[in-house]
Amino acid sequence: DAGITQSPRHKVTETGTPVTLRCHQTENHRYMYWYRQDPGHGLRLIHYSYGVKDTDKGEVSDGYSVSRSKTEDFLLTLESATSSQTSVYFCAISESGGGYGYTFGSGTRLTVV
Amino acid sequence: DQQVKQNSPSLSVQEGRISILNCDYTNSMFDYFLWYKKYPAEGPTFLISISSIKDKNEDGRFTVFLNKSAKHLSLHIVPSQPGDSAVYFCAASAGQTGANNLFFGTGTRLTVIP
Repeated sequence: DAGITQSPRHKVTETGTPVTLRCHQTENHRYMYWYRQDPGHGLRLIHYSYGVKDTDKGEVSDGYSVSRSKTEDFLLTLESATSSQTSVYFCAISESGGGYGYTFGSGTRLTVV
Repeated sequence: DQQVKQNSPSLSVQEGRISILNCDYTNSMFDYFLWYKKYPAEGPTFLISISSIKDKNEDGRFTVFLNKSAKHLSLHIVPSQPGDSAVYFCAASAGQTGANNLFFGTGTRLTVIP
């Protein structure tokens, strides 16, 4: 979507390796989110950020860490990838937070083998 | 524990007819509800929303109905078009509590048959 890009779009990695996914926005929105989408679960929040260096956990944060050193970039790191982290990861941005006005990126399909 | 539920994984409708997608929720603190549409290999895109102070919101062919006592909402698409074929996610938030999460249902795949 315009204003938000995710990289890479696809990645295959081995169990036990660290992986970093990047979300970049050009909208200058305060809030940024990482979700994962899995069959039978819909989208679930991993972590979110409400400002530079301000982050908090979501409902499925175990095994993940995030960093936001600039307004435009929000990084998601899998410290030691496991097969249960095979998923499609979506980044979202919002100007006001609180569930309002989310814009999603196109997603990153991660496969852990 | 799924706080937002979409019990129909799929729905097929003839072009020109009405599509009705249903969603139930369990958390009485939810005060804002949204529908997102998702095409393959793309992110979800916002479709329509409704605040808990309303029971209906309309935008062109799309109408969302909210029944708070039943904790139920539905999305009506009239008339349905082949381009509406996608996965539809219901989502809810408790924004007024300061919570910063959208809770999503599992999605309903709509197929509109030409």
